[in-house]
Amino acid sequence: KAGVTQTPRYLIKTRGQQVTLSCSPISGHRSVSWYQQTPGQGLQFLFEYFSETQRNKGNFPGRFSGRQFSNSRSEMNVSTLELGDSALYLCASTVRSSGSFVETQYFGPGTRLLVL
Amino acid sequence: AQTVTQSQPEMSVQEAETVTLSCTYDTSESDYYLFWYKQPPSRQMILVIRQEAYKQQNATENRFSVNFQKAAKSFSLKISDSQLGDAAMYFCAYRRLTSTSGTYKYIFGTGTRLKVLA
Repeated sequence: KAGVTQTPRYLIKTRGQQVTLSCSPISGHRSVSWYQQTPGQGLQFLFEYFSETQRNKGNFPGRFSGRQFSNSRSEMNVSTLELGDSALYLCASTVRSSGSFVETQYFGPGTRLLVL
Repeated sequence: AQTVTQSQPEMSVQEAETVTLSCTYDTSESDYYLFWYKQPPSRQMILVIRQEAYKQQNATENRFSVNFQKAAKSFSLKISDSQLGDAAMYFCAYRRLTSTSGTYKYIFGTGTRLKVLA
């Protein structure tokens, strides 16, 4: 099976612009989570989508939004970019193995966003 | 609110030696999961090992093992016979249930960069 893919891999934007990042989960995985990774803060949870519905949300401002399509692909959007939004944005698709009480997250390579 | 703390920003280990990465967490819940993830340079993050809080036995995966001290809220990762390929950023993570609907979210520490010296 192909792994989690994220596009684009690198992005440079300027303050005030908006950006859309895409994530394609592993085939058959219906849950997609997004994280922001910065050197000082580590990974911070943005939101999780399952079957086209946002199931969980982290503590980020409303400028950060997302959606999931019927094929489980997900996009996240950041509007009115700020310098502090520069980060690696990771997507993870999740599946629960039969007989297991906990799911396994599979991470994509990330999109590195630089805001100038 | 739950928190995860990794107090060692960077660690070094000689090849073939053993190293222990520390992680502490804070929670008032009794049922949860703990994880160690590995993020090699410019490569994807992968799951190394996980521990269910209700299990007293420490999890082990080949050269990787944990020391889970529930009362102390400590979850350290031991890497035995360190290899050059172990060099990476290691993240400790906590997973909780956020509601009775079974949804969850993960809380990650800030990471420990492990260097393996030849």
